[in-house]
Amino acid sequence: ETGVTQTPRHLVMGMTNKKSLKCEQHLGHNAMYWYKQSAKKPLELMFVYSLEERVENNSVPSRFSPECPNSSHLFLHLHTLQPEDSALYLCASSQVAGEGTQYFGPGTRLLVL
Amino acid sequence: AQSVAQPEDQVNVAEGNPLTVKCTYSVSGNPYLFWYVQYPNRGLQFLLKYITGDNLVKGSYGFEAEFNKSQTSFHLKKPSALVSDSALYFCAVRDMAYGGATNKLIFGTGTLLAVQP
Repeated sequence: ETGVTQTPRHLVMGMTNKKSLKCEQHLGHNAMYWYKQSAKKPLELMFVYSLEERVENNSVPSRFSPECPNSSHLFLHLHTLQPEDSALYLCASSQVAGEGTQYFGPGTRLLVL
Repeated sequence: AQSVAQPEDQVNVAEGNPLTVKCTYSVSGNPYLFWYVQYPNRGLQFLLKYITGDNLVKGSYGFEAEFNKSQTSFHLKKPSALVSDSALYFCAVRDMAYGGATNKLIFGTGTLLAVQP
């Protein structure tokens, strides 16, 4: 449960705000992921990083900007979001990108007003 | 394209009874299949996976899943349900279409398991 941590756990922001979500993994993994979970929809993969390099960007709007300064930390920078961006944002990690089991953090519940 | 389907939005079962949460998949090639569980206000927890080998896979918390190639199914099972098993369960398949780091997990829409005392 504590292998992947995310902060903050809850976030309320206005459409003109800028905020950042943080993820940290303590598992020694080399790959990290951002997912979006909305009600009644399958998890949507947003970004994949392997050894700090982005290897996947699933047509995510530019108002979401990821950053991976090292293999243990992953950020998601948010700016000028829309109400439909309200969701649970999940971070995950795995030993190797595209392989093995992914382990998830508890998520950040985001509400955009 | 790889896909996974969970045909039931919700499964209700009485405590002590066996439970089954259904999952069917569509892949080209050998399937890599996973089950995750999500408790309220929590992230997804890995339960078990099938890569190769025995068709019956045992996982955490007494759960197991049976891989059936002819029926393209990977149903999650538990012999005796607990109230604490009540949660959202996700089946996933690894999409190996492009290989390497671009392999991704394709998740189902989830099945809510409600275990009544």
